[in-house]
Amino acid sequence: NAGVTQTPKFRILKIGQSMTLQCTQDMNHNYMYWYRQDPGMGLKLIYYSVGAGITDKGEVPNGYNVSRSTTEDFPLRLELAAPSQTSVYFCASIRGKNSGNTIYFGEGSWLTVV
Amino acid sequence: AQSVTQLGSHVSVSEGALVLLRCNYSSSVPPYLFWYVQYPNQGLQLLLKYTTGATLVKGINGFEAEFKKSETSFHLTKPSAHMSDAAEYFCAVSDTGNQFYFGTGTSLTVIP
Repeated sequence: NAGVTQTPKFRILKIGQSMTLQCTQDMNHNYMYWYRQDPGMGLKLIYYSVGAGITDKGEVPNGYNVSRSTTEDFPLRLELAAPSQTSVYFCASIRGKNSGNTIYFGEGSWLTVV
Repeated sequence: AQSVTQLGSHVSVSEGALVLLRCNYSSSVPPYLFWYVQYPNQGLQLLLKYTTGATLVKGINGFEAEFKKSETSFHLTKPSAHMSDAAEYFCAVSDTGNQFYFGTGTSLTVIP
């Protein structure tokens, strides 16, 4: 059971470049999330989706875009990369809006913008 | 609004000693509480969670946590630390079941 799969694992971008972080889950989960993790800051929610075709902003959405064309996939797009976007990115998912859902995480994508 | 405070960004214990990682939360409704562990260069893995029922929750690898409503706390403990417990630990709270709020993490070092 693959769970939540993210690619790439590591990437170096130049300032102003664009890229897409891929995320797919095979658990038929409705809710998917993108978080960024910065040292000493915990996890901050970038965007989330409650189902195919529906996305919404989280706490730190500026500089990012998402789409959810299928239940399985939730890519995160970085347009015009900036050094402030150097971070570790985690995709996550839960089954649905039921109390006590466990949130499942991918293994992370380490992004450096230089 | 919900929030999570983890006291102590770094905790060091000797191998075999008690592990105590502190977590306090704020929530306007009965919360669902979680502890996650993150090993270097990996994602977060669930250690344990509290939803309803018994307030003492047992998780994997010998960890447990107790939900204390009066103290708004959900501290993580393990009676005897092992070298393999060295990792980053995150406390999280959820009220609606689909939004999660994470603490800033506690890095646990185990000294041989």
